[in-house]
Amino acid sequence: GQNIDQPTEMTATEGAIVQINCTYQTSGFNGLFWYQQHAGEAPTFLSYNVLDGLEEKGRFSSFLSRSKGYSYLLLKELQMKDSASYLCAASRMDSNYQLIWGAGTKLIIKP
Amino acid sequence: GAGVSQTPSNKVTEKGKYVELRCDPISGHTALYWYRQSLGQGPEFLIYFQGTGAADDSGLPNDRFFAVRPEGSVSTLKIQRTERGDSAVYLCASSPAGSGNTDTQYFGPGTRLTVL
Repeated sequence: GQNIDQPTEMTATEGAIVQINCTYQTSGFNGLFWYQQHAGEAPTFLSYNVLDGLEEKGRFSSFLSRSKGYSYLLLKELQMKDSASYLCAASRMDSNYQLIWGAGTKLIIKP
Repeated sequence: GAGVSQTPSNKVTEKGKYVELRCDPISGHTALYWYRQSLGQGPEFLIYFQGTGAADDSGLPNDRFFAVRPEGSVSTLKIQRTERGDSAVYLCASSPAGSGNTDTQYFGPGTRLTVL
C-alpha cells in the first residue's frame, strides 16, 4: 500500500528549533520531498532526500532513514515567517512523476 | 515571469456551469501536472502531461473533467457541469523533463474554485 503520516499541527516558539516527522509506507520507495506551503499560496520546494542521512540547507535540514521509513524536517532559529504547512511526499521508483503526499503539518510560531 | 502562473486566481461559479482553468508552466518544462487540494489536505493528483500528450489521466475523478495542452506549453483544465464537491484549489506544477530520475515539481499559485 501507499501511506504517509505526519502530525496535523505543531506549535513552536520564535528562535527555537522544531522537528517535523514524516513516516511512510510506500512500495518501491525512491525518495522523500519536503515542501513549504504558506496559507493561500503554492507549495515551494525545500528538499529531496534519496540517500540516508542528514542534508543541511541553512536553517532547514532534512533527514531520511530508508530502513525505518522515516524522515524529518528540522527548522532552526525559527522566525515568524516560518509559520506555514509543511508537506512531505514520497516518490516511487516505478514512476518518475507520481508522488504520494502527506496531508501536511501546520506549524504555528509564537513570539 | 520565471515561475508557473495560473489564471484566474479565484473563480466563483454556479452549480452546473462550465469552467476553464489555465496554467502557464515554466518555460522549457516539458512535464506538467494538475492537482486538486482541499483545505488541510495534500495535493491530489489529477493528470500528468509529457509534452502535448496526457501520459497519465488516472486521477481525473470522472468524465466531467478534461485537460489539454495542445502546443506542449500552456494547459487548460476544463470542468463541465460543475458540482459543489468540485470546490477546491486547483494547482498546476511543471518540471524540466518528467523522465528518468524524479524531477522536482514547481507549483503555481493555484486557482481557488468555488461552486455555489
